[in-house]
Amino acid sequence: EVQLVESGGGLVQPGRSLRLSCAASGFTFQDYGMNWVRQTPGKGLEWVALITWTTNRTAYADSVKGRFTISRDNAKNILYLQMTALRAEDTALYYCARGRVAGRQVYDFAYWGQGALVTVSS
Amino acid sequence: EVVLTQSPGTLSLSPGERATLSCRASQNVGTFLAWYQQKPGQAPRLLIYDAFNRATGVPDRFSGSGSGTDFTLTISSLEPDDFAVYFCQQRITWPPITFGQGTRLEIK
Repeated sequence: EVQLVESGGGLVQPGRSLRLSCAASGFTFQDYGMNWVRQTPGKGLEWVALITWTTNRTAYADSVKGRFTISRDNAKNILYLQMTALRAEDTALYYCARGRVAGRQVYDFAYWGQGALVTVSS
Repeated sequence: EVVLTQSPGTLSLSPGERATLSCRASQNVGTFLAWYQQKPGQAPRLLIYDAFNRATGVPDRFSGSGSGTDFTLTISSLEPDDFAVYFCQQRITWPPITFGQGTRLEIK
């Protein structure tokens, strides 16, 4: 069974940093592109970042570029999101989501974690 | 950036009725469009990928159609469990991958 379990969320002051983790199991992690998607309370979905399954190519939403870094540890089956210079508008539930197809850059998402809540407030 | 506009914002229907949800793209996305269902407190669930393919385990009352810039999600006969928020998402052009703003399907 595919499982994605996020951790690392919490309350953080503006300007500070936080790192989210997503522990993956039930599939061959290194074969899939991985993504972070966030959702503000009562609002819609915003794609944040992706990392490919090979070459570790990354891409970011303009709203987080230069502040957030996505990375992965294929030996530990963990996806990360390092968030720096956090702003109030980064407050959201952060989901990790798996690309649908192994070995291809097919980024719709059949599997999601339960989300990690990040609240940026003084 | 591909902007996805969903309509209506809210759709009020009764169980047993047919639901038709629309997603319009600001540029041609071919058939690289997906639909998701989200219930309160849950992560989104993939329903349809590549415009018309049902994801694993999705009942056949859900169907997707369209290509280019205009897409439709149809629920042929609403079940009580279908009342939720629905999002579309494109993957032809990234970054960024983009989502529509959602359609809330509520019980009339």
